[in-house]
Formats: sequence, structure tokens, C-alpha cells
Amino acid sequence: NAGVTQTPKFQVLKTGQSMTLQCAQDMNHNSMYWYRQDPGMGLRLIYYSASEGTTDKGEVPNGYNVSRLNKREFSLRLESAAPSQTSVYFCASSGGLLQGTDTQYFGPGTRLTVL
Amino acid sequence: GDSVTQMEGPVTLSEEAFLTINCTYTATGYPSLFWYVQYPGEGLQLLLKATKADDKGSNKGFEATYRKETTSFHLEKGSVQVSDSAVYFCALRAGGFKTIFGAGTRLFVKA
Repeated sequence: NAGVTQTPKFQVLKTGQSMTLQCAQDMNHNSMYWYRQDPGMGLRLIYYSASEGTTDKGEVPNGYNVSRLNKREFSLRLESAAPSQTSVYFCASSGGLLQGTDTQYFGPGTRLTVL
Repeated sequence: GDSVTQMEGPVTLSEEAFLTINCTYTATGYPSLFWYVQYPGEGLQLLLKATKADDKGSNKGFEATYRKETTSFHLEKGSVQVSDSAVYFCALRAGGFKTIFGAGTRLFVKA
């Protein structure tokens, strides 16, 4: 039982490049989330997926897209990276309201630097 | 909108000292409240939670009581250890699928 896994762990991009951050969970959770963590700002929600087949914007969605590929996987794409997207990105999952579990389980994070 | 405010850090304590990290919240309805902990180089993990007023969450010697009258959920530990050095996040979930996190408080414990 690996929990929530993320790849890659580190990435350096040049401005304008694109990349996809991968996330998978093996806990059969309904809901999945992408956050970014910046110094002094806590975690800010980028996008979330309440259940398979649905995605919704969070607090800071501009410059990002997501895909809920199946129940296990939720990817985050940067189409044209900007230095302002330098951050640590965390994926999380939870059982969701239907399963009565509101605790979120986090992956280890991806540290992204955009030059 | 919903929000969480927690004390700024860093907090530096000597081993075996008493710890308090303050957290207050603003929310409509009746939120669930959480403390998450992030150890260096890792993701967040749940430390404790409380789902209704006057509930006390506890884990690993840490405690927090859901105080609706003061809209607070302060984290306490009677005797900290070096291994407790981490960043602590207060959070709330007021309904729906979104959890609101505070900015985090970094704790350093010296031997």
C-alpha cells in the first residue's frame, strides 16, 4: 500500500516549456487534489476532482490544466511554464463525502523550478 | 469566505518545553478542524482532528480542543522532543470538497 505517489520529485524547466506532473493513489479514494506550497502562504488549491469524471477549479487555477484519468490517477499540466510557477506541488486524496472521510492524504511533493 | 489564521513562526523551544500554537478560524456552518504536520522533505500528514464543538483531538501527545465560542483550535503539547521539529498547519473543512489551510508554523526544538 503505497498511498499517494507523485512523479517526478524534482524538475527544472525553462520558461515556455510544458510538463505534466503525475499523481496516483491506491486507497480507492473518490476525491483528488492538486496544491502548490509557497513560502509563507501555506497550501493553495489549484484544482480538485470530487469524483472520477469531474474536475473543478480551486483558488489558483490559471496556467494549469488537469486530467482525472481514472479513479487512481490525477495529473496536472503546465502548458507554458512561467517563473511564477516555481513552487512545491502536492497531490492529495480523500475518501470524499460519500465515503464519509474528510482527511486528506498527501504525496511527497514535486519541487519545480522554472528558469 | 472561510479562512484560517495561525501564529507566525518560527517557534523555537528547548526539549521538554510546553508548546502552544494558536489557530483561529472563520467559517460558515459547522466546520471540521484539523492539524496537519509536515516533516522536512515530506508531504503533509494528519496529526489530529475534531469534528464538532468541544471535541478534543489528540495524537502523539499533541492535543487541540474545538472551541466554537472563541473560534479557535489551538495545538498543545506538554513536553516537546527534537523529533517534533516540523511545520504545523491548521486547517478547516466547512462542507464540500475544499480544505482551507493556514500558512503554517515552523517549530524548532533544541536538544
